[in-house]
Amino acid sequence: QVTLKESGPGILQPSQTLSLTCTFSGFSLSTYGMGVGWIRQPSGKGLEWLANIWWDDDKYYNPSLKNRLTISKDTSNNQAFLKITNVDTADTATYYCARIETSDYPYWGQGVMVTVSS
Amino acid sequence: DIQMTQSPASLSASLGETISIECRASEDIYSNLAWYQQKSGKSPQLLIYAANRLQDGVPSRFSGSGSGTQYSLKISGMQPEDEGDYFCLQGSKFPLTFGSGTKLEIK
Repeated sequence: QVTLKESGPGILQPSQTLSLTCTFSGFSLSTYGMGVGWIRQPSGKGLEWLANIWWDDDKYYNPSLKNRLTISKDTSNNQAFLKITNVDTADTATYYCARIETSDYPYWGQGVMVTVSS
Repeated sequence: DIQMTQSPASLSASLGETISIECRASEDIYSNLAWYQQKSGKSPQLLIYAANRLQDGVPSRFSGSGSGTQYSLKISGMQPEDEGDYFCLQGSKFPLTFGSGTKLEIK
């Protein structure tokens, strides 16, 4: 059974760095073809793809976030991470991690809400 | 970036009605198109991948079609549990891009 769960700080101030963790089970990020992605959704709005990481440590980022993103993984502990530097109120959203299959996301976490506020 | 234009933005359907949602890509995405359903307060759920492949466990009333730049999701016989938001996602080229969404409600 594949499960994913996101965790994060809940609230942080503008200019800080947002650190998110995705803890998963039912698959390994050291297995050929496996990957995890991060997607976010401001309240009441649409979905925005942020980044993907694969078993071989290949990574892709959304350039609209202008090099503020870093995705990484810890295969030993079945975790993936996303850091967003220099956050502002526009980064307030629910953040999801999801398992990748080819370019699709059949398994999602429940999401974690992040609020950026001074 | 590939732009995904999704329509309509909202839709109201009667029970049993057949509805369609469209996504148009700004360039050929070679059927690398998925459809997701998101119910209120929940995570998105994959319905269709590769433009027309039904994800395991998804009711057969959902179907996808299209090629090139034009794709559609059809629900054949609206059910109460089909209320929610629907998004398309192109996986042809990075950055991956979603359509803006369609809110589907029961009339």
